[in-house]
Amino acid sequence: SYELTQPPSVSASPGQTATITCSGDALAKQYAYWYQQKSGQAPVLVIYKGTERPSGIPERFSGSSSGTRVTLTISGVQAEDEADYYCQSADSFASFLMFGGGTRLTIL
Amino acid sequence: QVQLVQSGAEVKKPGSSVKVPCKVSGGTFSTYSINWVRQAPGQGLEWMGSIIPIFATPNYAQKFQGRVTINADESTGTAYMELSRLRSDDTAVYYCASTTVRMDRGVILDYHYHFMDVWGKGTTVTVFS
Repeated sequence: SYELTQPPSVSASPGQTATITCSGDALAKQYAYWYQQKSGQAPVLVIYKGTERPSGIPERFSGSSSGTRVTLTISGVQAEDEADYYCQSADSFASFLMFGGGTRLTIL
Repeated sequence: QVQLVQSGAEVKKPGSSVKVPCKVSGGTFSTYSINWVRQAPGQGLEWMGSIIPIFATPNYAQKFQGRVTINADESTGTAYMELSRLRSDDTAVYYCASTTVRMDRGVILDYHYHFMDVWGKGTTVTVFS
């Protein structure tokens, strides 16, 4: 199947590490991408090709993968990181794309 | 710096169609992968389809096959998404989003372009009678 599964919510206190997972069969063959979406704004790419960080994205954002599961890690979370996070990938033939259901990160 | 400019809002009646433009400024329009993603109120992101203008052949999500048309006008640098037979559950923000496809003389050099690093601000489409 080509579904991506994320936990609905994750919380962390400032300075702690937040971990958001995403799992799905597509991740075994295709890269994962991560987007941050703050309330009322368009999404922003924070990780591409599984582990790469676009210019302008803080170093505290990192990505990793293992088999059919990928992880977005935010080390030393800050209040400004409170947002919805979406993973995204493609089918084996890259003929269509899919998003995970999204994870709301709450900073306590 | 590439920018994607979208119009603000549309209000449509059920059963009608909407055509949403996305003006691309900066860069080489024909070599972008331009995607359309929608987000219903309080819901997640949903990919609808994409097009690379130089190839002109769109890909569509199965859910929207037969109801969505994506095309690109290279003369104006504008991509369009048209959704027909609108229903109330099509009420959403429709985003265009793109990335650059690395290619040389029409040959794709890197096939890992299935993501979006530039987003428009979105067009709100409201469907109600």
